[in-house]
Amino acid sequence: EIVLTQSPGTLSLSPGERATLSCRASQSVRTNFLAWYQQKPGQAPRLLIYGASTRATGIPDRFSGSGSGTDFTLTISRLEPEDFAVYYCQQYGSSPMYTFGQGTKLEIK
Amino acid sequence: QLQLQESGSGLVKPSQTLSLSCAVSGGSISSAGRSWNWIRQPPGKGLEWIGYIYHSGSAYYNPSLKSRVTISIDRSKNQFSLKVNSVTAADTAVYYCAREEGRGFFDYWGQGTLVAVSS
Repeated sequence: EIVLTQSPGTLSLSPGERATLSCRASQSVRTNFLAWYQQKPGQAPRLLIYGASTRATGIPDRFSGSGSGTDFTLTISRLEPEDFAVYYCQQYGSSPMYTFGQGTKLEIK
Repeated sequence: QLQLQESGSGLVKPSQTLSLSCAVSGGSISSAGRSWNWIRQPPGKGLEWIGYIYHSGSAYYNPSLKSRVTISIDRSKNQFSLKVNSVTAADTAVYYCAREEGRGFFDYWGQGTLVAVSS
């Protein structure tokens, strides 16, 4: 089973700042089957990025994903008030098996 | 626009069976290449994938839950279902159904339903 470790656990920033969230895998993620989700309180997760770097439909271009192998990054270029939420990375591996990171909480400073 | 909606019992006694259904609207559950998934989230915690089923009826489960979980599909009703037997308090969670698009990510989710395990 591939374990995903997200850092930091909590990130405190102000609107307008740049956010950089990290997701590290215990083994190489196959064919970049790595996705990012945003979750707000009381809501289901929302797909942001798939294939490590492709934005999902309707996702603003301030969200970008990068990385390969075991190290992946979600970047939010200029934080808007609605971006403060919890972010999860997720991978699809063999078995078959899906695993999620433990989440990064992005809070207003 | 595809929509998924969970339904089922919100309170289950320990050792009993948790049963949920997910109704799919705006699209067919028999679409090739898609899988239909259950994912759960204990209160205040992260996400855990439970398992999925294809329209063919082939199902795959998280090894950590495999002995207690069954996912089934009803193509005539355009819905799929989850059963978890021998539940304990550790099974208390919000349960989500979700579609996996065929490339390893979940693009449509239900709103989630809270299931509490308590006597």
